Amino acid sequence: DQQVKQNSPSLSVQEGRISILNCDYTNSMFDYFLWYKKYPAEGPTFLISISSIKDKNEDGRFTVFLNKSAKHLSLHIVPSQPGDSAVYFCAANSQGGSEKLVFGKGTKLTVNP
Amino acid sequence: DAGITQSPRHKVTETGTPVTLRCHQTENHRYMYWYRQDPGHGLRLIHYSYGVKDTDKGEVSDGYSVSRSKTEDFLLTLESATSSQTSVYFCAISALGTGVSTDTQYFGPGTRLTVL
Repeated sequence: DQQVKQNSPSLSVQEGRISILNCDYTNSMFDYFLWYKKYPAEGPTFLISISSIKDKNEDGRFTVFLNKSAKHLSLHIVPSQPGDSAVYFCAANSQGGSEKLVFGKGTKLTVNP
Repeated sequence: DAGITQSPRHKVTETGTPVTLRCHQTENHRYMYWYRQDPGHGLRLIHYSYGVKDTDKGEVSDGYSVSRSKTEDFLLTLESATSSQTSVYFCAISALGTGVSTDTQYFGPGTRLTVL
């Protein structure tokens, strides 16, 4: 049973536009959420996180939104750049409950020039 | 970048042979993890360690063993490699448990393993 779901395997956007990557979770105990970015032949890189006490967290062009009632989070990239083309993984954790992150299967983002 | 190295970076081996992958960190973090990444599966946890000689299983631990004799090194062993273990293996570390309450993990560059 998949506790973290990224239902879109791929997404294609034009440079300069907004990219929105979505993630759904089923475990109501999750209270810490992360996004990782992965380029081919490299390890995943931590991008941004959000705790369940917040509904939004921003870092430059990246913003993560959390909707706890819908068990949904999204990553917005504005404006999108060709260098943002990568696979993005959503992950979740229950702070104080587990030392393990649960990952989604990833969404491949392609930003076209 | 977190100081994490993995060796070897690439390995080709034959079915039935033992293989050991090494993860080395310079951050003195308590937690270390081994994942595998396969198409359509994302990142799946194999084993993790929460201290020297303290390890536990992840969701895909069958066919793998681990050891941690020093804080900085976490070894993943395939006792008898099979073709289904062809994958990319990532090590990760976390500062959890050392005054940090959030489990942000930082990943190494990966090892591409091919079992023929």
